Amino acid sequence: AQSVSQHNHHVILSEAASLELGCNYSYGGTVNLFWYVQYPGQHLQLLLKYFSGDPLVKGIKGFEAEFIKSKFSFNLRKPSVQWSDTAEYFCAVTNNDMRFGAGTRLTVKP
Amino acid sequence: NAGVTQTPKFQVLKTGQSMTLQCAQDMNHEYMSWYRQDPGMGLRLIHYSVGAGITDQGEVPNGYNVSRSTTEDFPLRLLSAAPSQTSVYFCATSLRFPYEQYFGPGTRLTVT
Repeated sequence: AQSVSQHNHHVILSEAASLELGCNYSYGGTVNLFWYVQYPGQHLQLLLKYFSGDPLVKGIKGFEAEFIKSKFSFNLRKPSVQWSDTAEYFCAVTNNDMRFGAGTRLTVKP
Repeated sequence: NAGVTQTPKFQVLKTGQSMTLQCAQDMNHEYMSWYRQDPGMGLRLIHYSVGAGITDQGEVPNGYNVSRSTTEDFPLRLLSAAPSQTSVYFCATSLRFPYEQYFGPGTRLTVT
């Protein structure tokens, strides 16, 4: 079955630490890839997206992600996290429809 | 320009009751979808629509109906509520598939 996997369920970091959140998918063929963020009490907002071209994409708030086709991965990175990055992060993949991973909760300690 | 609106924000139902969750958008988006969000399971697609008059099932359609008679509205109907349907429901829209989706504020539903 088609699926999206986020292996880190809860990540705790101190401010200024670097972040990498994993995302793998099992779809074959052409896919479009997204990372969404959900701040506490809010709805989902788009962080970044990949459709084609340069596999390293930059999003808002200093986030970036790299698409590695051979590994079916689309990992999210940020060089230096801030307390305000505390949120839940969701990877999503479109094929016939849009499917989401289970999410990774990020807690940044001040 | 309200974007994506959902009503109600909160709802409590008894087992067996039916209700409709409303979703409306004023962005003239073709694609609309419903998700449920449960702890540890992310968002799961219930139903989606690529345009007025066209709907299709997602991952978890059982117990839910949808219709799309206009571009703007995409209501989700719970036919006979069950405690397993306790969740937060999000409506999302996209200019067209597979572009990025814009999410509404959600409806928190509790079924007792």
